[in-house]
Amino acid sequence: DAGITQSPRHKVTETGTPVTLRCHQTENHRYMYWYRQDPGHGLRLIHYSYGVKDTDKGEVSDGYSVSRSKTEDFLLTLESATSSQTSVYFCAISESFVYEQYFGPGTRLTVT
Amino acid sequence: GQQLNQSPQSMFIQEGEDVSMNCTSSSIFNTWLWYKQDPGEGPVLLIALYKAGELTSNGRLTAQFGITRKDSFLNISASIPSDVGIYFCAGQLRGNEKLTFGTGTRLTIIP
Repeated sequence: DAGITQSPRHKVTETGTPVTLRCHQTENHRYMYWYRQDPGHGLRLIHYSYGVKDTDKGEVSDGYSVSRSKTEDFLLTLESATSSQTSVYFCAISESFVYEQYFGPGTRLTVT
Repeated sequence: GQQLNQSPQSMFIQEGEDVSMNCTSSSIFNTWLWYKQDPGEGPVLLIALYKAGELTSNGRLTAQFGITRKDSFLNISASIPSDVGIYFCAGQLRGNEKLTFGTGTRLTIIP
């Protein structure tokens, strides 16, 4: 299994509060991704990174920001959580863009 | 966004049966990936396909990259209880770099 961890694994937060999810990898892969998974929608890309401090938006980036200060860590921040951001969030990594992405165990976020 | 039509949405089979599922699109794809997801866990990559017509196996799993480049197929032979889960296809569109995911096929084994 690829060395990918996500923290926290579960979080309940209130509407309007900031939330940061962390993805940590030990594979030294260049590319890292954040997805959200919702019933009926499959996996949708939020943001991705192609190197330290290099990030770009995915298809559902509104309300989310990311940062990557080290190769191994990719942070996803919800500046002001909303109920529509209740979801399961997955981090993924790959050696080159798109090529064979490996997923972390996920973070279940509930916004009340 | 681009849609991948994955079918069937769910399957109920008996242990030992063979399974077939597919993913189709109206657009041409460069890459097809197949993943399996167990409850409460992240998707696990099963097979990656990069060439039209390519047929690749991983144990009892076999996947094919359709000749038209618009579809892909996954077969599981002699199913066992640990095959239960949700299977996702994912594809990279030609001219569009990001992966598009199907909505999954849920496989259940009936005792």
